[in-house]
Amino acid sequence: LAKTTQPISMDSYEGQEVNITCSHNNIATNDYITWYQQFPSQGPRFIIQGYKTKVTNEVASLFIPADRKSSTLSLPRVSLSDTAVYYCLVGGPNGGGYNKLIFGAGTRLAVHP
Amino acid sequence: EPEVTQTPSHQVTQMGQEVILRCVPISNHLYFYWYRQILGQKVEFLVSFYNNEISEKSEIFDDQFSVERPDGSNFTLKIRSTKLEDSAMYFCASSVGYNEQYFGPGTRLTVT
Repeated sequence: LAKTTQPISMDSYEGQEVNITCSHNNIATNDYITWYQQFPSQGPRFIIQGYKTKVTNEVASLFIPADRKSSTLSLPRVSLSDTAVYYCLVGGPNGGGYNKLIFGAGTRLAVHP
Repeated sequence: EPEVTQTPSHQVTQMGQEVILRCVPISNHLYFYWYRQILGQKVEFLVSFYNNEISEKSEIFDDQFSVERPDGSNFTLKIRSTKLEDSAMYFCASSVGYNEQYFGPGTRLTVT
């Protein structure tokens, strides 16, 4: 499974756009890029998944350049409730080895008033 | 929106005791998982389960751990003889297939 690197923490303010970049230099041809969000004392929650170019849903956008060695999760106009840990996972369609999710340390996003 | 449920929300047990953590996955899901998260650490995969058998397990999932789907709705994780280091948040998850997993709220296990 490809190793991922993302910032340990980020700070933002309400109403701003937040971009979290994840590096995955040894991503395999069949790998997908998946992002999960985790609030304190809760289970992770799926945000978005992509393979290449851009994917957008009601929560976020995912930008993947042509070489797929990195990806950027974009959260438009964050609010205090977006304060959470964000995980970038690279692997099978479920973000892992098809049977499992492999989580790293994630990026701790703090949104301030 | 359907959700995964877990009981109890918090379990306190003494070292050496057996515990059973319970999960009700989303009804049309076929794949079931257990993860754990020690306080302040990352989420760790324990085991995946499909078609009434274990698909994959991690090194953490040793002989002290077992999983079972005793009926059509419940999915359980049993720890036979708990150790202090088993104290963690245990998350159950389920999925339709090899796609997004839905996590439950977790059971906080405290071993004293």
